[in-house]
Amino acid sequence: EIVLTQSPATLSLSPGERATLSCRASQSISNSLAWFQQKPGQAPRLLIYDASNRATGIPARFSGSGSGTDFTLTISSLEPEDFAVYYCQQRSSWPPLTFGGGTKVEIK
Amino acid sequence: EVQLVESGGGLVQPGGSLRLSCAASGFTFSSYSMNWVRQAPGKGLEWVSYISSTSSAIYYADSVKGRFTISRDKATNTVYLQMNSLRAEDTAVYYCARQIYFDCWGQGTLVTVSS
Repeated sequence: EIVLTQSPATLSLSPGERATLSCRASQSISNSLAWFQQKPGQAPRLLIYDASNRATGIPARFSGSGSGTDFTLTISSLEPEDFAVYYCQQRSSWPPLTFGGGTKVEIK
Repeated sequence: EVQLVESGGGLVQPGGSLRLSCAASGFTFSSYSMNWVRQAPGKGLEWVSYISSTSSAIYYADSVKGRFTISRDKATNTVYLQMNSLRAEDTAVYYCARQIYFDCWGQGTLVTVSS
């Protein structure tokens, strides 16, 4: 089973700042990584697929990078609606499909 | 508009059974694989089960294997999760999600296993 480790667990930032979230895989997953955003009481929403492709309707301030075992989600300038929990997920070697433990981006 | 709507959640005693449904609309259901993903209160996301577009491939997480059964009905555009021998640790919001890209999610249905 591929384990995804997200860091940091919590990121405290102000609106307008840049957010950098990390996801590390226990073995190489090529570019088969997705990022999701989840707000309280809502279902997750796909942001990025195949490591760097924005999903439909996702603003350009969200970008993904990386391959192999190390991946990054960057939010270039935080908007108030971006404060949420973010999960990475791999589909390279499955079953099982696995998620990281999440990073909470909170208002500083 | 692509839409997934879950139903069937509720309170059940340990050892009991429940069947969840996920009604799909706004896309060609028969062309897409489907999944169930759950989230325990205050916890992260856990993939539960997968069914291919033709039902030819079915997979389960080890935590539910032998207790849960996924199925789909192309006539009603619905995917199901039959949950038997429920345990307290199965308490969670259950989401259905499209494809292994999880590009579309339902709103979730809460399952509470408690005596």
